[in-house]
Amino acid sequence: GAVVSQHPSRVICKSGTSVKIECRSLDFQATTMFWYRQFPKQSLMLMATSNEGSKATYEQGVEKDKFLINHASLTLSTLTVTSAHPEDSSFYICSALITLGYEQFFGPGTRLTVL
Amino acid sequence: GNSVTQMEGPVTLSEEAFLTINCTYTATGYPSLFWYVQYPGEGLQLLLKATKADDKGSNKGFEATYRKETTSFHLEKGSVQVSDSAVYFCALSNTGNQFYFGTGTSLTVIP
Repeated sequence: GAVVSQHPSRVICKSGTSVKIECRSLDFQATTMFWYRQFPKQSLMLMATSNEGSKATYEQGVEKDKFLINHASLTLSTLTVTSAHPEDSSFYICSALITLGYEQFFGPGTRLTVL
Repeated sequence: GNSVTQMEGPVTLSEEAFLTINCTYTATGYPSLFWYVQYPGEGLQLLLKATKADDKGSNKGFEATYRKETTSFHLEKGSVQVSDSAVYFCALSNTGNQFYFGTGTSLTVIP
């Protein structure tokens, strides 16, 4: 089946630093990837839609300058949390879209803790 | 607009009990419906899906039927196991790009 990986799985950083999270589709090409944020005991909040070779589309209320998304290849999208602060601590999940069947495959998530 | 409403949790059941998690939706057009499961510390995994009215999705003993007349997609399992303890998310998608998730229902199965 389709596999999506994320790296790192956990990261702890100091306030003010930037953190990069990678999302890879391992056995298929994904022209579209999605980035979600999940707060404790809550559902997933779509942050942005990432299309290969073009700028990401951000959902309302998501700061594009703070959450930089790059989708440079058909198998890799990155999310960079710039100048992270404690309120950015969260579980970030990516997914990749397989167009046939309209199915999204999710990565295992990245737990970000900002001290 | 599009939205998904799930029953509030948490749900606690004894092993071998019957499980129902309610899910209703509002949507424009004819969406595909999904159930995803999230085990502790992990991402979401597709559990089952249905793409049109009256379709039944099934996997690992779980079932859900796409009911257009009641706009529902309730998840059921006849006999739950401890290993089924997880958070379950109902979701819909109209275009394949935009997914709408419910708030999730936490299930704990006790021996």
